[in-house]
Amino acid sequence: DAKTTQPTSMDCAEGRAANLPCNHSTISGNEYVYWYRQIHSQGPQYIIHGLKNNETNEMASLIITEDRKSSTLILPHATLRDTAVYYCIVRVRGSQGNLIFGKGTKLSVKP
Amino acid sequence: DAEITQSPRHKITETGRQVTLACHQTWNHNNMFWYRQDLGHGLRLIHYSYGVHDTNKGEVSDGYSVSRSNTEDLPLTLESAASSQTSVYFCASSDPGRASTDTQYFGPGTRLTVL
Repeated sequence: DAKTTQPTSMDCAEGRAANLPCNHSTISGNEYVYWYRQIHSQGPQYIIHGLKNNETNEMASLIITEDRKSSTLILPHATLRDTAVYYCIVRVRGSQGNLIFGKGTKLSVKP
Repeated sequence: DAEITQSPRHKITETGRQVTLACHQTWNHNNMFWYRQDLGHGLRLIHYSYGVHDTNKGEVSDGYSVSRSNTEDLPLTLESAASSQTSVYFCASSDPGRASTDTQYFGPGTRLTVL
């Protein structure tokens, strides 16, 4: 699985959009970008995944650059409950095996 | 609703005792995983299973064992608990057969303290 790089921490004002970047310059053609988050003391939670097109679901949007070397997770209207560590993971879909979690980005949503 | 549960949520035990952590999922997923999470290390894989009677070692399997006698359960056993096994343990499951996604769904975790 390709390596990912994320900022260690970010702040966001409540009600504003939170934009979390991820670099994955060594991503290969069959690898997807997955995003998970972990709220304090809880198990990781799946958010969204994509291959090359932008994706949106009820939780977030995922924007992947045309060269697929980076992506951005967007929480359109962040709330205090979105405070968590966000993990960007690159892997081949259906490849079996575990997820490899890096350090992630600690997002703090402030009132 | 389908879910994944872990029990107990908190456990305190003594060095040398055998401990079993339970994981139960009602999605009928073939794949199940056990991770541990420690400060400074993130989540690390202990054992995993791709189906009944299948078990595989992960990155940090020493001192742990699992068995898979049915689809729903993957209990994790610490044969002789050590203080280094004080951690938060997460169970997860996934179904690679689904066309929509092979995402992993995590349980709420078990906080284990070995004194």
